[in-house]
Amino acid sequence: DTAVSQTPKYLVTQMGNDKSIKCEQNLGHDTMYWYKQDSKKFLKIMFSYNNKELIINETVPNRFSPKSPDKAHLNLHINSLELGDSAVYFCASSQRQGVGNTIYFGEGSWLTVV
Amino acid sequence: DQQVKQNSPSLSVQEGRISILNCDYTNSMFDYFLWYKKYPAEGPTFLISISSIKDKNEDGRFTVFLNKSAKHLSLHIVPSQPGDSAVYFCAARNYGQNFVFGPGTRLSVLP
Repeated sequence: DTAVSQTPKYLVTQMGNDKSIKCEQNLGHDTMYWYKQDSKKFLKIMFSYNNKELIINETVPNRFSPKSPDKAHLNLHINSLELGDSAVYFCASSQRQGVGNTIYFGEGSWLTVV
Repeated sequence: DQQVKQNSPSLSVQEGRISILNCDYTNSMFDYFLWYKKYPAEGPTFLISISSIKDKNEDGRFTVFLNKSAKHLSLHIVPSQPGDSAVYFCAARNYGQNFVFGPGTRLSVLP
């Protein structure tokens, strides 16, 4: 059983399109995250979200929006895709945000914008 | 502003020898550190952690050392195995904040 699963794993789409990446965790964690691994391979946080609070990295364009239908899911919606959005996006979860807990990652979604 | 640095992009080690992966940080308020291992086309997987109240944590072949005064931590893998070949990420956080990741070091263990 995959602890953090995200779909699709690979996505190729045209500029200007709107796309979503889905994420689900079955660990019973309270907090979920979206990370972006850029061309320089840095893992940078985009969002963290628990039931009460969404924290957005201020550098993330507002074309990106997380949507959480329930505690176990945090989907990433991207509007008006741009070439520079091509990257690997990782969903992750932890028991409680910022309290010494391990973050568990999904396998990543490779987004290519053409 | 790179708060967590892994200055060696790559490292090659002979099988059976020790691998030492280094990580430096700039924020003295960081109090918890993680090491992750990542294979190609997979997500990072947790390896080992250390709290700032300790200077060493050991788990099997993996040992993490923390030198707070130098703002430096290292991951030792002994003995190194070919299956250890991967990218290793160091991550650090201030209490209540999100983790900040380093850029990773690619380890190649040669048979």
